[in-house]
Amino acid sequence: KQEVTQIPAALSVPEGENLVLNCSFTDSAIYNLQWFRQDPGKGLTSLLLIQSSQREQTSGRLNASLDKSSGRSTLYIAASQPGDSATYLCATEETSGSRLTFGEGTQLTVNP
Amino acid sequence: GAGVSQSPSNKVTEKGKDVELRCDPISGHTALYWYRQSLGQGLEFLIYFQGNSAPDKSGLPSDRFSAERTGGSVSTLTIQRTQQEDSAVYLCASSLVAGKSYEQYFGPGTRLTVT
Repeated sequence: KQEVTQIPAALSVPEGENLVLNCSFTDSAIYNLQWFRQDPGKGLTSLLLIQSSQREQTSGRLNASLDKSSGRSTLYIAASQPGDSATYLCATEETSGSRLTFGEGTQLTVNP
Repeated sequence: GAGVSQSPSNKVTEKGKDVELRCDPISGHTALYWYRQSLGQGLEFLIYFQGNSAPDKSGLPSDRFSAERTGGSVSTLTIQRTQQEDSAVYLCASSLVAGKSYEQYFGPGTRLTVT
């Protein structure tokens, strides 16, 4: 059974800092890994999807990497802004089924 | 275009009552998923539908939970004889096709409170 772990559980940084969120997973038989953002009381917004054959994806100030063999992914956020404050979730889609398995999330606070 | 919509946004019910939660997927998406997000359990898979194939019900926590998808579009998640531990946010997602590594798009969720 896939297990997804995110570290740290919470992170507070001053505005302008570059930061890294970590995600690890136990089963490398995945189709892809997705990073989501969740604002309080809201649904999930997809940020980046990395296919299993890819090493990284970039969107604006966000860069996600995937090392499938070691079961790790990182989300890099450059020049953080207060509007980046949210909970960030990573999830894997396994080849054995189409469900997503989520980590517990990292709660990010960017202070002005 | 319109995203995934869910109704109601909030539902308060008494223990023992049945509830129905509705999901309207993105038009043209053949795959539809239900997830549950509760304190202490994180976000967990419940069930998914792909076209006319039999649904994958392996995540449903008990036989009090069921779901159907009519006409390959709208889906209803039904919880019978609700218990307090059913209190959670129920999220619906859709994707173009299941199992082909397409992105899943999530709705805003239904917050269920069982008193």
